[in-house]
Amino acid sequence: QVQLQESGPGLVKPSETLSLTCAVSGYSISSGYYWGWIRQPPGKGLEWIGSIYHSGSTYYNPSLKSRVTISVDTSKNQFSLKLSSVTAADTAVYYCARPGRWLQPYWYFDLWGRGTLVTVSS
Amino acid sequence: EIVMTQSPATLSVSPGERATLSCRASQSVSSNLAWYQQKPGQAPRLLIYGASTRATGIPARFSGSGSGTEFTLTISSLQSEDFAVYYCQQYNNWPPGTFGGGTKVEIK
Repeated sequence: QVQLQESGPGLVKPSETLSLTCAVSGYSISSGYYWGWIRQPPGKGLEWIGSIYHSGSTYYNPSLKSRVTISVDTSKNQFSLKLSSVTAADTAVYYCARPGRWLQPYWYFDLWGRGTLVTVSS
Repeated sequence: EIVMTQSPATLSVSPGERATLSCRASQSVSSNLAWYQQKPGQAPRLLIYGASTRATGIPARFSGSGSGTEFTLTISSLQSEDFAVYYCQQYNNWPPGTFGGGTKVEIK
């Protein structure tokens, strides 16, 4: 059974960098799918942040591209998100998720982590 | 960027009744349209992809239709566990790809 689990600080100060990790279990992260991050501000809709392949190939949402870095650690079977210069507008539940099609950075997402709330506040 | 507009924002339905949710794209997305269900405190759950294909384990009371710019999710007979927020997502044009704003299905 494939599972995704997000982890990281729940509180980040404005102007600092948000850092989260997604641990993948039950499936090798090197097996042909991209792996993505999606966020959801409280009470609002969903926004794709970006996706990464095990080779390190990345695709980002243009609206966040200047502040986002997604990386992968195949030895730990996990991938990570860094979002710099955060503001209150970055307060959201952050999900890691897998696009449901082989080799596609963005598709429908058929596998999701439970999500982790990150609050940006001083 | 393609804008996805869902209507209505809230739908009040009695258990056992039929619910019809709409999703409109600002330009054609072919059949590259998915529907998700989200309950409070949970991650979205994939219901439908390819506009009309049910995901694994999804009950037959959920059905999707449409192509191009107009899509519909129908729940034929609402069960208590179906009261939730539903989102559509287009994956035809990306980045960034877009989700709709959601329709909340509540108990009437």
